[in-house]
Amino acid sequence: KQEVTQIPAALSVPEGENLVLNCSFTDSAIYNLQWFRQDPGKGLTSLLLIQSSQREQTSGRLNASLDKSSGRSTLYIAASQPGDSATYLCAVRASGSRLTFGEGTQLTVNP
Amino acid sequence: GAVVSQHPSWVICKSGTSVKIECRSLDFQATTMFWYRQFPKQSLMLMATSNEGSKATYEQGVEKDKFLINHASLTLSTLTVTSAHPEDSSFYICSAITSGGPYSYNEQFFGPGTRLTVL
Repeated sequence: KQEVTQIPAALSVPEGENLVLNCSFTDSAIYNLQWFRQDPGKGLTSLLLIQSSQREQTSGRLNASLDKSSGRSTLYIAASQPGDSATYLCAVRASGSRLTFGEGTQLTVNP
Repeated sequence: GAVVSQHPSWVICKSGTSVKIECRSLDFQATTMFWYRQFPKQSLMLMATSNEGSKATYEQGVEKDKFLINHASLTLSTLTVTSAHPEDSSFYICSAITSGGPYSYNEQFFGPGTRLTVL
C-alpha cells in the first residue's frame, strides 16, 4: 500500500526566503506526482504535475523535482511571499488508480 | 490550469432532507470524476470514483444509498446526500481527471468545494 509522507508538517518563514518542502512515497511504481496548494475553506489548486519519466517541472517561482528510484519529491519555492501561505499537498498516482495524498505542509510566510 | 466548478458553494439544510451538489468540468471532458470529503484540519478522504455512463465505485465504508452519484455526461457529475443528518456536515470536494487535449494527461483538478451544514 502506497504511503506518502510530507516533512515538515508546518513551516514558518520570513518573506523573501527560499524554501523546500519534502515529500516521500513508499512505492516507486508511480504514474505521476502532483503538488497542490489548499487555502483555508477552499478546494485544491494544482501547482505542478510531474510524469514518472520526468525529473522536474517549473512554474514561475515554483520548482518540483522527482527522484522516483528513491521515492522522493521536493517543492522549491523561491523568494517566498505572504500570499504563498497555504497548505501544500503532495499526491502520487499509480497507474490507473486514485491519488494518494500526504498529510500536507502548512506554510506561513510572515511579512 | 483546467477549471472545475461546484455548485452550490455552501448549503444549509434541515435533517432528513436531501441535498444535491453539482460538479462541472468547464474546459475539458472528464471521463472520470471523484468525490472527496474533508473534515477540519484533516486530509481529503476519497468517497467514490465515477465514470461517465456507469455506476460509481464507492470506497469502503461509504454508503452508496446515502451518497448517490450520477455522472451523466463528460462534463457533469452530481452528488446527492439523501436523508441528511448532522454527521453528514462536512466539506465536499469534487475532482476531475484530464485525458489529454489542452492539458497534461492524467492531471487531476479540483473544484472549490461545497460546505454542507445539516441542522
